[in-house]
Amino acid sequence: AQSVTQPDIHITVSEGASLELRCNYSYGATPYLFWYVQSPGQGLQLLLKYFSGDTLVQGIKGFEAEFKRSQSSFNLRKPSVHWSDAAEYFCAVGDQKNNFNKFYFGSGTKLNVKP
Amino acid sequence: DTGVSQNPRHKITKRGQNVTFRCDPISEHNRLYWYRQTLGQGPEFLTYFQNEAQLEKSRLLSDRFSAERPKGSFSTLEIQRTEQGDSAMYLCASSPTGTLRNIQYFGAGTRLSVL
Repeated sequence: AQSVTQPDIHITVSEGASLELRCNYSYGATPYLFWYVQSPGQGLQLLLKYFSGDTLVQGIKGFEAEFKRSQSSFNLRKPSVHWSDAAEYFCAVGDQKNNFNKFYFGSGTKLNVKP
Repeated sequence: DTGVSQNPRHKITKRGQNVTFRCDPISEHNRLYWYRQTLGQGPEFLTYFQNEAQLEKSRLLSDRFSAERPKGSFSTLEIQRTEQGDSAMYLCASSPTGTLRNIQYFGAGTRLSVL
């Protein structure tokens, strides 16, 4: 069955510190993976995506993610967190076998940034 | 391009009432999705339209829920005989066809509170 797991519900980091948010997926084919960010009261904004090729992908706002097939993981990273990065982050996998008629999201990780 | 628009932003209703939400996708996007997001959870897929055809529907969607996209442009999601468990954020997303069909653009959502 297709699923996405984000093991960390809340993470708190100090401003300027590095960040890594974990994501594990289960999908019976080549995964199409996404990271989204959601600020309070807002919809989701796409940060980055992975389809194929280089396993390290760059996104907006200085984020990057690394695909590791052997670990079924797609972790999101940022070298230096800014206070404006405080938000909720969602990992998702697209149902490529069914022409992306459906997407599966993790339960999210809420990021707090300490001054 | 004004993005995906959802109305109303907030809806408070009494248990047993019917409610209807509207989603206006990005104008050239043929693909449209509805999701439900409860507190502390990620978006949960409800249904998918390609143009006016409803091609995918979650088994979690009870018969009290119905969605339409009559002319392949805007879409409505109706919940009949609302229950307190229907309280959630309802998100709409759209995407183009072709190679970018897996890139979803989200609206800000409609927050439903059932009293």
